Amino acid sequence: NAGVTQTPKFRVLKTGQSMTLLCAQDMNHEYMYWYRQDPGMGLRLIHYSVGEGTTAKGEVPDGYNVSRLKKQNFLLGLESAAPSQTSVYFCASRTWDFTDTQYFGPGTRLTVL
Amino acid sequence: AQKVTQAQTEISVVEKEDVTLDCVYETRDTTYYLFWYKQPPSGELVFLIRRNSFDEQNEISGRYSWNFQKSTSSFNFTITASQVVDSAVYFCALSEYNDMRFGAGTRLTVKP
Repeated sequence: NAGVTQTPKFRVLKTGQSMTLLCAQDMNHEYMYWYRQDPGMGLRLIHYSVGEGTTAKGEVPDGYNVSRLKKQNFLLGLESAAPSQTSVYFCASRTWDFTDTQYFGPGTRLTVL
Repeated sequence: AQKVTQAQTEISVVEKEDVTLDCVYETRDTTYYLFWYKQPPSGELVFLIRRNSFDEQNEISGRYSWNFQKSTSSFNFTITASQVVDSAVYFCALSEYNDMRFGAGTRLTVKP
């Protein structure tokens, strides 16, 4: 099992450009999450999904869109990147059981110039 | 709304010292789970422990121990006889149902 994988690992964008981050999991988990990590602020939830075809907003959703067309994939999109979106992005997944831990991907470091 | 506070931003100790990382949480639910994660310099997030709101027993795993006190809404983490490999950022997190809220993290540096 690969667990949770994220593509790409690093990316540099110019302000106004768009991009999509891909998260894939092979554990057949129902729930998937996108977080951003900024210095001194821990991880903040952007969007999450409780199943294929569903998405919901988290704590900091503005400027991002997500899609969950397949159970194993959760895409995070930036339509018009801004320097404030420079961050490390983590994807995570877990089973339907909220007592279960979340399994995290390795992270994507995004810089917006 | 749920909230997790880790008041200690950075802690520095010398190897073999004991160190306690504090975590205070806020929630309106009676059923919730608390977690601790470790983020070493390599950047990945490593799960350490999960504790449910109905189990206040302290837990010990090797040099690690956790003290959960509902009366003070705290879930503190102690490392006994710290080692250089313990140097990392440690996150406390609270899960109520669909999402999880993380504290800002405590950066622990263990010097040889």
